[in-house]
Amino acid sequence: DIQMTQSPSSLSASVGDRVTITCRASQGIRNDLGWYQQKPGKAPKRLIYAASSLQSGVPSRFSGSGSGTEFTLTISSLQPEDFATYYCLQHNSYQLTFGGGTKVEIK
Amino acid sequence: EVQLVESGGVVVQPGGSLRLSCAASGFTFDDYTMHWVRQAPGKGLEWVSLISWDGGSTYYADSVKGRFTISRDNSKNSLYLQMNSLRTEDTALYYCAKEDDYGDFDYWGQGTLVTVSS
Repeated sequence: DIQMTQSPSSLSASVGDRVTITCRASQGIRNDLGWYQQKPGKAPKRLIYAASSLQSGVPSRFSGSGSGTEFTLTISSLQPEDFATYYCLQHNSYQLTFGGGTKVEIK
Repeated sequence: EVQLVESGGVVVQPGGSLRLSCAASGFTFDDYTMHWVRQAPGKGLEWVSLISWDGGSTYYADSVKGRFTISRDNSKNSLYLQMNSLRTEDTALYYCAKEDDYGDFDYWGQGTLVTVSS
């Protein structure tokens, strides 16, 4: 199984802050990684696919980078609607795995 | 408009069985691999299973292998998850999700809640 280690598990930030979330894969997964945002009571929503491609309709303040084993989701200027939980998902193997999630809270 | 609507979630006793359904519309269902993902109350997302477009290939998380069976009926645009030998740790909101050409999920349903409790 490919394990995805996501950090931090939670963070407090202010509107306008730059926020970075990291996922580390236990083995190389090329760029077979997506990032998802989930708000309470809602289904997850994809933000980034193929590690660095922005999903249509998602604001450009979201960006993804990385390849192989280390990946990053960056929010360049945090907005009120961005307070949510974020997950990475690897789909390099036929057993997909999510990271443990990062809860972004208001400071 | 793509829609995925799950149903079938109920309260069931440990050791019991249940079948979840996901009705798909707004896209050519038999072109796409489909998945089940679950989320225990207050916890993170866990991938459960996938089935290829024609049903010929299926894969499972180790936590459900041998107990759950994924299937699909392309004539009915429907996805299923047969859940046997249910355990309390299977309690979760179960989502169906559509895989796109990039290999992960571009659309999700709203989920159906399965509670395993005596």
